[in-house]
Amino acid sequence: GESVGLHLPTLSVQEGDNSIINCAYSNSASDYFIWYKQESGKGPQFIIDIRSNMDKRQGQRVTVLLNKTVKHLSLQIAATQPGDSAVYFCAENKGDTGRRALTFGSGTRLQVQP
Amino acid sequence: SQTIHQWPATLVQPVGSPLSLECTVEGTSNPNLYWYRQAAGRGLQLLFYSVGIGQISSEVPQNLSASRPQDRQFILSSKKLLLSDSGFYLCAWSVGFEYAQYFGPGTRLTVT
Repeated sequence: GESVGLHLPTLSVQEGDNSIINCAYSNSASDYFIWYKQESGKGPQFIIDIRSNMDKRQGQRVTVLLNKTVKHLSLQIAATQPGDSAVYFCAENKGDTGRRALTFGSGTRLQVQP
Repeated sequence: SQTIHQWPATLVQPVGSPLSLECTVEGTSNPNLYWYRQAAGRGLQLLFYSVGIGQISSEVPQNLSASRPQDRQFILSSKKLLLSDSGFYLCAWSVGFEYAQYFGPGTRLTVT
């Protein structure tokens, strides 16, 4: 399949541990953030999103934290499983109310060791 | 439920040949549609987006073009491919004023 992220930052964790993937954003006008998971050769898959009026949102085994003061976003994955191995992208809207466009980060590769 | 299809899944084309990639969405009406390109080791670069039939906005000047002949069909084209057009092409959709975008399976294009 397609090799995405050949030279991406890599986070290696043991199966069962918790994973934390970080993302810094630059635009203080951004008021919507989203995390995607991309497995090799596949399209990005929506994981969880958060609006700027929140600082935390939880899903199934995932939590997104937003720190607007330092413009930082993180994705926490509980009890990481081998199936979580993928490249994870954060995206922001940069306050774009016209195009409904997202600007994507370069991604982090998560490797889960059995 | 909504589904998005892209074809072909993979494509190998010589430099100078034309290109046509197709994307269709099912299960929703009047979606916003997007074309992205992803180079190895990079994030996603927005190429085109469309908020309705015949309405196309280009984000990056290049030798690619897009068309939306039907509500749920989005086509990416080129008259003459360049080596630099190689990449993973992704189509995505969203609805209304929502920001969340949902991606198709992608087309891997190799220009030789």
